[in-house]
Amino acid sequence: GIQVEQSPPDLILQEGANSTLRCNFSDSVNNLQWFHQNPWGQLINLFYIPSGTKQNGRLSATTVATERYSLLYISSSQTTDSGVYFCAVARAAGNQFYFGTGTSLTVIP
Amino acid sequence: DAGITQSPRYKITETGRQVTLMCHQTWSHSYMFWYRQDLGHGLRLIYYSAAADITDKGEVPDGYVVSRSKTENFPLTLESATRSQTSVYFCASSEPQGFGVTYNEQFFGPGTRLTVL
Repeated sequence: GIQVEQSPPDLILQEGANSTLRCNFSDSVNNLQWFHQNPWGQLINLFYIPSGTKQNGRLSATTVATERYSLLYISSSQTTDSGVYFCAVARAAGNQFYFGTGTSLTVIP
Repeated sequence: DAGITQSPRYKITETGRQVTLMCHQTWSHSYMFWYRQDLGHGLRLIYYSAAADITDKGEVPDGYVVSRSKTENFPLTLESATRSQTSVYFCASSEPQGFGVTYNEQFFGPGTRLTVL
Protein backbone atom coordinates (compact mmCIF):
# COMPACT_ATOMS: atom_id res chain seq x y z
CA GLY A 1 0.00 0.00 0.00
CA ILE A 2 0.86 3.68 0.18
CA GLN A 3 1.98 5.18 3.48
CA VAL A 4 0.29 8.48 4.26
CA GLU A 5 1.62 10.59 7.11
CA GLN A 6 -0.14 13.66 8.39
CA SER A 7 1.27 16.30 10.68
CA PRO A 8 0.76 17.57 13.22
CA PRO A 9 -1.47 14.88 14.79
CA ASP A 10 -3.11 17.44 17.08
CA LEU A 11 -3.46 21.19 16.85
CA ILE A 12 -5.09 23.73 19.13
CA LEU A 13 -5.65 27.23 17.77
CA GLN A 14 -7.07 30.45 19.04
CA GLU A 15 -9.92 31.69 16.87
CA GLY A 16 -8.57 33.90 14.10
CA ALA A 17 -5.20 32.14 13.86
CA ASN A 18 -3.79 30.57 10.70
CA SER A 19 -2.49 27.02 10.33
CA THR A 20 -0.86 24.65 7.88
CA LEU A 21 -1.52 20.92 7.82
CA ARG A 22 0.82 18.60 5.96
CA CYS A 23 0.32 15.29 4.18
CA ASN A 24 3.30 13.22 3.00
CA PHE A 25 2.85 10.09 0.91
CA SER A 26 5.22 7.32 -0.03
CA ASP A 27 4.45 6.68 -3.71
CA SER A 28 3.36 8.37 -6.90
CA VAL A 29 -0.35 9.18 -6.88
CA ASN A 30 -2.78 10.71 -9.30
CA ASN A 31 -5.56 11.28 -6.82
CA LEU A 32 -5.47 13.24 -3.60
CA GLN A 33 -8.33 14.52 -1.50
CA TRP A 34 -8.64 16.50 1.73
CA PHE A 35 -11.61 15.84 3.98
CA HIS A 36 -12.96 17.45 7.11
CA GLN A 37 -14.68 15.14 9.57
CA ASN A 38 -16.94 17.26 11.71
CA PRO A 39 -17.81 16.50 15.35
CA TRP A 40 -20.89 14.57 14.15
CA GLY A 41 -18.70 12.20 12.16
CA GLN A 42 -19.64 13.39 8.69
CA LEU A 43 -16.87 13.40 6.09
CA ILE A 44 -16.94 16.56 4.03
CA ASN A 45 -15.00 16.93 0.80
CA LEU A 46 -12.73 19.94 0.96
CA PHE A 47 -10.48 19.57 -2.05
CA TYR A 48 -9.82 17.17 -4.88
CA ILE A 49 -6.25 18.18 -5.64
CA PRO A 50 -3.91 15.65 -7.27
CA SER A 51 -1.63 18.55 -8.22
CA GLY A 52 -1.47 22.33 -8.15
CA THR A 53 -3.21 24.83 -5.90
CA LYS A 54 -6.86 25.46 -5.15
CA GLN A 55 -8.64 27.90 -2.90
CA ASN A 56 -12.10 27.86 -1.38
CA GLY A 57 -12.82 30.76 0.91
CA ARG A 58 -10.53 30.64 3.93
CA LEU A 59 -9.14 27.28 2.91
CA SER A 60 -6.55 26.54 0.29
CA ALA A 61 -4.51 23.50 -0.66
CA THR A 62 -1.36 22.82 -2.60
CA THR A 63 -0.10 19.47 -3.85
CA VAL A 64 3.43 18.95 -5.15
CA ALA A 65 3.04 15.48 -6.59
CA THR A 66 6.68 15.18 -7.70
CA GLU A 67 7.82 15.73 -4.10
CA ARG A 68 4.98 13.63 -2.63
CA TYR A 69 3.34 16.07 -0.29
CA SER A 70 0.28 18.24 0.05
CA LEU A 71 -0.50 21.18 2.32
CA LEU A 72 -3.83 22.44 3.61
CA TYR A 73 -3.95 26.06 4.75
CA ILE A 74 -6.61 27.34 7.07
CA SER A 75 -6.72 31.09 7.54
CA SER A 76 -8.63 33.10 10.14
CA SER A 77 -9.77 29.90 11.84
CA GLN A 78 -13.25 29.64 13.32
CA THR A 79 -14.67 27.30 15.95
CA THR A 80 -16.62 25.55 13.19
CA ASP A 81 -13.28 24.48 11.68
CA SER A 82 -12.80 22.09 14.60
CA GLY A 83 -12.72 18.41 13.76
CA VAL A 84 -10.35 15.98 12.10
CA TYR A 85 -8.73 16.67 8.73
CA PHE A 86 -7.84 13.69 6.59
CA CYS A 87 -5.68 13.37 3.53
CA ALA A 88 -6.35 10.44 1.18
CA VAL A 89 -4.41 9.34 -1.89
CA ALA A 90 -4.78 6.77 -4.66
CA ARG A 91 -2.54 5.54 -7.45
CA ALA A 92 -4.97 5.26 -10.35
CA ALA A 93 -8.59 5.39 -11.33
CA GLY A 94 -10.88 3.50 -9.02
CA ASN A 95 -8.09 2.00 -6.97
CA GLN A 96 -8.31 2.17 -3.24
CA PHE A 97 -7.67 5.36 -1.40
CA TYR A 98 -5.17 5.28 1.43
CA PHE A 99 -5.96 7.56 4.32
CA GLY A 100 -3.68 9.22 6.79
CA THR A 101 -4.54 9.08 10.48
CA GLY A 102 -5.62 12.69 10.42
CA THR A 103 -4.93 15.99 12.16
CA SER A 104 -7.28 16.76 15.02
CA LEU A 105 -7.94 20.51 15.10
CA THR A 106 -9.53 22.34 17.99
CA VAL A 107 -10.29 26.03 17.60
CA ILE A 108 -11.01 27.81 20.86
CA PRO A 109 -12.90 31.12 21.11
CA ASP B 1 -30.81 14.72 -4.90
CA ALA B 2 -30.24 12.19 -2.12
CA GLY B 3 -26.62 11.41 -3.05
CA ILE B 4 -25.27 8.52 -1.05
CA THR B 5 -27.17 7.05 1.89
CA GLN B 6 -26.43 4.35 4.42
CA SER B 7 -28.69 2.29 6.62
CA PRO B 8 -29.01 1.68 9.44
CA ARG B 9 -27.16 4.64 10.94
CA TYR B 10 -26.71 2.81 14.25
CA LYS B 11 -26.70 -0.90 14.94
CA ILE B 12 -26.06 -3.00 18.03
CA THR B 13 -25.68 -6.73 17.59
CA GLU B 14 -24.22 -9.73 19.35
CA THR B 15 -21.18 -11.83 18.58
CA GLY B 16 -21.92 -14.48 15.98
CA ARG B 17 -24.91 -12.75 14.41
CA GLN B 18 -25.10 -11.87 10.73
CA VAL B 19 -25.39 -8.17 9.98
CA THR B 20 -25.91 -6.39 6.67
CA LEU B 21 -25.12 -2.73 6.17
CA MET B 22 -26.75 -1.05 3.21
CA CYS B 23 -25.37 1.59 0.88
CA HIS B 24 -27.33 3.31 -1.88
CA GLN B 25 -26.22 6.04 -4.29
CA THR B 26 -28.31 8.01 -6.75
CA TRP B 27 -25.50 9.29 -8.99
CA SER B 28 -25.03 6.07 -11.01
CA HIS B 29 -21.34 6.14 -10.09
CA SER B 30 -19.52 3.07 -11.35
CA TYR B 31 -17.20 2.70 -8.36
CA MET B 32 -18.33 2.04 -4.80
CA PHE B 33 -16.28 1.46 -1.67
CA TRP B 34 -16.63 0.29 1.93
CA TYR B 35 -14.30 1.63 4.64
CA ARG B 36 -14.08 1.16 8.36
CA GLN B 37 -12.86 3.84 10.73
CA ASP B 38 -11.14 2.96 13.98
CA LEU B 39 -9.26 5.15 16.42
CA GLY B 40 -5.60 5.36 15.48
CA HIS B 41 -6.09 3.88 12.02
CA GLY B 42 -7.95 6.49 10.05
CA LEU B 43 -10.11 4.91 7.35
CA ARG B 44 -9.21 1.55 5.87
CA LEU B 45 -10.69 0.02 2.74
CA ILE B 46 -12.62 -3.23 3.19
CA TYR B 47 -13.93 -3.92 -0.33
CA TYR B 48 -14.58 -1.98 -3.48
CA SER B 49 -16.50 -2.49 -6.70
CA ALA B 50 -15.73 -1.15 -10.16
CA ALA B 51 -19.18 -2.00 -11.57
CA ALA B 52 -22.14 -4.29 -11.01
CA ASP B 53 -20.97 -7.86 -10.37
CA ILE B 54 -17.31 -6.76 -10.07
CA THR B 55 -15.83 -6.59 -6.58
CA ASP B 56 -12.34 -6.69 -5.14
CA LYS B 57 -10.68 -6.86 -1.76
CA GLY B 58 -9.19 -3.88 -0.04
CA GLU B 59 -6.84 -3.66 2.89
CA VAL B 60 -8.97 -5.39 5.56
CA PRO B 61 -11.49 -7.78 3.88
CA ASP B 62 -11.47 -10.70 6.35
CA GLY B 63 -14.85 -11.37 7.93
CA TYR B 64 -16.80 -9.36 5.36
CA VAL B 65 -18.76 -10.23 2.24
CA VAL B 66 -20.03 -7.85 -0.44
CA SER B 67 -22.23 -8.09 -3.48
CA ARG B 68 -23.28 -5.68 -6.18
CA SER B 69 -26.17 -6.84 -8.33
CA LYS B 70 -27.27 -3.28 -9.12
CA THR B 71 -25.12 -0.24 -9.82
CA GLU B 72 -26.77 1.84 -7.11
CA ASN B 73 -26.51 -0.63 -4.20
CA PHE B 74 -23.49 -2.07 -2.45
CA PRO B 75 -24.39 -4.03 0.71
CA LEU B 76 -21.74 -5.15 3.20
CA THR B 77 -22.40 -8.31 5.22
CA LEU B 78 -20.69 -9.46 8.39
CA GLU B 79 -21.46 -13.17 8.28
CA SER B 80 -20.57 -13.84 11.91
CA ALA B 81 -19.92 -10.60 13.75
CA THR B 82 -17.01 -10.32 16.15
CA ARG B 83 -16.18 -7.64 18.72
CA SER B 84 -13.22 -6.53 16.63
CA GLN B 85 -15.71 -5.47 13.96
CA THR B 86 -17.11 -2.78 16.23
CA SER B 87 -16.41 0.32 14.18
CA VAL B 88 -17.85 3.11 12.09
CA TYR B 89 -18.45 2.01 8.51
CA PHE B 90 -18.42 4.43 5.59
CA CYS B 91 -19.60 3.83 2.07
CA ALA B 92 -18.25 5.94 -0.79
CA SER B 93 -18.66 6.25 -4.54
CA SER B 94 -16.81 7.78 -7.46
CA GLU B 95 -16.99 8.10 -11.22
CA PRO B 96 -13.58 8.36 -12.91
CA GLN B 97 -13.64 10.74 -15.86
CA GLY B 98 -11.37 11.92 -18.59
CA PHE B 99 -8.72 10.35 -20.74
CA GLY B 100 -6.08 8.95 -18.42
CA VAL B 101 -8.52 9.65 -15.60
CA THR B 102 -8.15 13.33 -14.94
CA TYR B 103 -10.93 13.41 -12.37
CA ASN B 104 -11.77 10.77 -9.75
CA GLU B 105 -13.25 12.34 -6.63
CA GLN B 106 -14.77 10.12 -3.93
CA PHE B 107 -17.94 11.06 -2.08
CA PHE B 108 -18.87 9.59 1.28
CA GLY B 109 -22.08 8.56 2.96
CA PRO B 110 -22.95 9.55 6.55
CA GLY B 111 -21.62 6.34 8.11
CA THR B 112 -23.03 3.47 10.16
CA ARG B 113 -21.93 3.04 13.77
CA LEU B 114 -21.85 -0.69 14.53
CA THR B 115 -21.39 -2.12 18.01
CA VAL B 116 -20.84 -5.85 18.47
CA LEU B 117 -21.42 -7.03 22.04
